[in-house]
Amino acid sequence: RKEVEQDPGPFNVPEGATVAFNCTYSNSASQSFFWYRQDCRKEPKLLMSVYSSGNEDGRFTAQLNRASQYISLLIRDSKLSDSATYLCVVNHDRGSTLGRLYFGRGTQLTVWP
Amino acid sequence: ETGVTQSPTHLIKTRGQQVTLRCSSQSGHNTVSWYQQALGQGPQFIFQYYREEENGRGNFPPRFSGLQFPNYSSELNVNALELDDSALYLCASSFGREDRGRTGANVLTFGAGSRLTVL
Repeated sequence: RKEVEQDPGPFNVPEGATVAFNCTYSNSASQSFFWYRQDCRKEPKLLMSVYSSGNEDGRFTAQLNRASQYISLLIRDSKLSDSATYLCVVNHDRGSTLGRLYFGRGTQLTVWP
Repeated sequence: ETGVTQSPTHLIKTRGQQVTLRCSSQSGHNTVSWYQQALGQGPQFIFQYYREEENGRGNFPPRFSGLQFPNYSSELNVNALELDDSALYLCASSFGREDRGRTGANVLTFGAGSRLTVL
């Protein structure tokens, strides 16, 4: 079983739409959770960390459900520039240097005009 | 503050050859991690170096090896290349565990990657 499971999509939505991505993780000892964004043929870049209480950054809202081992990302008022692959990421190294991240395969989003 | 730089950006090799990929970490970071990203997949952890020592390894065979230098730059070496080694190889740097409490300590900064094609 993979550490992180994501629906690969693709999701194709019009500008202004609201879109939600979900992922599940298998290791209940996971400590840190993130969403990364990866543009075509580029490196992943941190979009936002995910906290147990849920957190929001502008049009982006991330939620974590530890009991269900489930992470979500909601994008409101989609922009053309949001088109990218969104990677769900977990880390379960306790007390060590953050570095070993487990990535989902990514969910591809295309926002059309 | 310079970011993570990787070289070469693209390269083509044939089966059985050896390759060395290089990475310069971001200023202030002493930890380097290497990831392999095959087409259509998420990055997979290869190994991590902290203060010139290997600090964790993923499920990759011994023909994948690495080094970290005193200036915290790093190399990834792959021997006896196979077709399935074709991928984007990503280097990421971060702060060490001694900096765990500082702002940004839990952030990995990725380089643009080295795209390897094995024919």
